[in-house]
Amino acid sequence: AQRVTQPEKLLSVFKGAPVELKCNYSYSGSPELFWYVQYSRQRLQLLLRHISRESIKGFTADLNKGETSFHLKKPFAQEEDSAMYYCAASYVIIQGAQKLVFGQGTRLTINP
Amino acid sequence: NAGVMQNPRHLVRRRGQEARLRCSPMKGHSHVYWYRQLPEEGLKFMVYLQKENIIDESGMPKERFSAEFPKEGPSILRIQQVVRGDSAAYFCASSTGARVSGNTIYFGEGSWLTVV
Repeated sequence: AQRVTQPEKLLSVFKGAPVELKCNYSYSGSPELFWYVQYSRQRLQLLLRHISRESIKGFTADLNKGETSFHLKKPFAQEEDSAMYYCAASYVIIQGAQKLVFGQGTRLTINP
Repeated sequence: NAGVMQNPRHLVRRRGQEARLRCSPMKGHSHVYWYRQLPEEGLKFMVYLQKENIIDESGMPKERFSAEFPKEGPSILRIQQVVRGDSAAYFCASSTGARVSGNTIYFGEGSWLTVV
């Protein structure tokens, strides 16, 4: 089954502390993995994707195929990082067509 | 490019009424996805449509919910005889082609349905 799991619904850390948001996915072919961020009642914005291996707003994520994980990390949290974070995987549904499957989301709160 | 446009942004319906949510994809996009976000829960895939075709409706409730994407006009998500449990944010996304990757799928700002 196509499944993305984010075990933490809520995560609270202090400003300046490291942050790690966990994400695990079910193996089905070779999905692309993404992290999206949603600020209060706004549209989802793409934060990063594993293929590009880039760092956005200080966040990075490493794909670990052995553990089927794609955890999101930032060494020093900032107050503006407070938001809802979604991990997503792109799975093939029919030949040539794919869809995004999202995890349950983790609400990150950065305390001053 | 106006982006993915959803309307209404907020909709209040009484139990038993019908709710219609509209989504105009980005210009040039012929693939539309609907997702539902229940309060304090994540995004759940509902349906994937191409022009005049439903490709994957595995996330749609079996009753009361339907979706269409006609040749002309916006995609419509229709909920008949709404119940309180339908209260949620409904997000539409669009892409240019069948192969979806994160930087080619764009989300709308969502439609918040409240059933009273």
